[in-house]
Amino acid sequence: DADVTQTPRNRITKTGKRIMLECSQTKGHDRMYWYRQDPGLGLQLIYYSFDVKDINKGEISDGYSVSRQAQAKFSLSLESAIPNQTALYFCATSDSSSDSEWNEQFFGPGTRLTVL
Amino acid sequence: KNQVEQSPQSLIILEGKNCTLQCNYTVSPFSNLRWYKQDTGRGPVSLTIMTFSENTKSNGRYTATLDADTKQSSLHITASQLSDSASYICVVTSGGSYIPTFGRGTSLIVHP
Repeated sequence: DADVTQTPRNRITKTGKRIMLECSQTKGHDRMYWYRQDPGLGLQLIYYSFDVKDINKGEISDGYSVSRQAQAKFSLSLESAIPNQTALYFCATSDSSSDSEWNEQFFGPGTRLTVL
Repeated sequence: KNQVEQSPQSLIILEGKNCTLQCNYTVSPFSNLRWYKQDTGRGPVSLTIMTFSENTKSNGRYTATLDADTKQSSLHITASQLSDSASYICVVTSGGSYIPTFGRGTSLIVHP
């Protein structure tokens, strides 16, 4: 979805390096999410934010941190990358001003991260 | 713990044939169920949403059903096309929560 962009699209790094993945959206949505996807597994929630001052841990937050710099920007950091963090990472947004319980999420194109 | 189970894990069919994908969930209380389509290398895109009061909804060649009593949903694809090759993900949101539970997906391959 061109309204949700992620940078970089691909990244190869080494164990112990600090990595930042960035997500920007032009949809005007207030809620943003970071997910991780491994082959054969479902999307797993890392962190989510319902507004600029709100940060919440998801089911697999260990080893990750986030920053919500503005309503449109949500960054994910790996403070010291390790090989089992090799995965496809997705950012998503949703809008609380619509019928929020229906909660359609709009996903970015993903960042493929490889940790050697 | 809320869980969403999908079957089959993978499916191969010939172009033009129909197929049905299954989703069972234990999410409670139930709010809504979505089917997403994820093309290779791309983010998921919503196909349909089902709420408690709905038991069938169509989107072109895609028809979703929901049985809230047995906590089962299915996605039926009619007259499959090569472009239907993708992963189909069942996602259930509980009432009062804005955090969905994702299934692992069914990988569909449509051969010419």
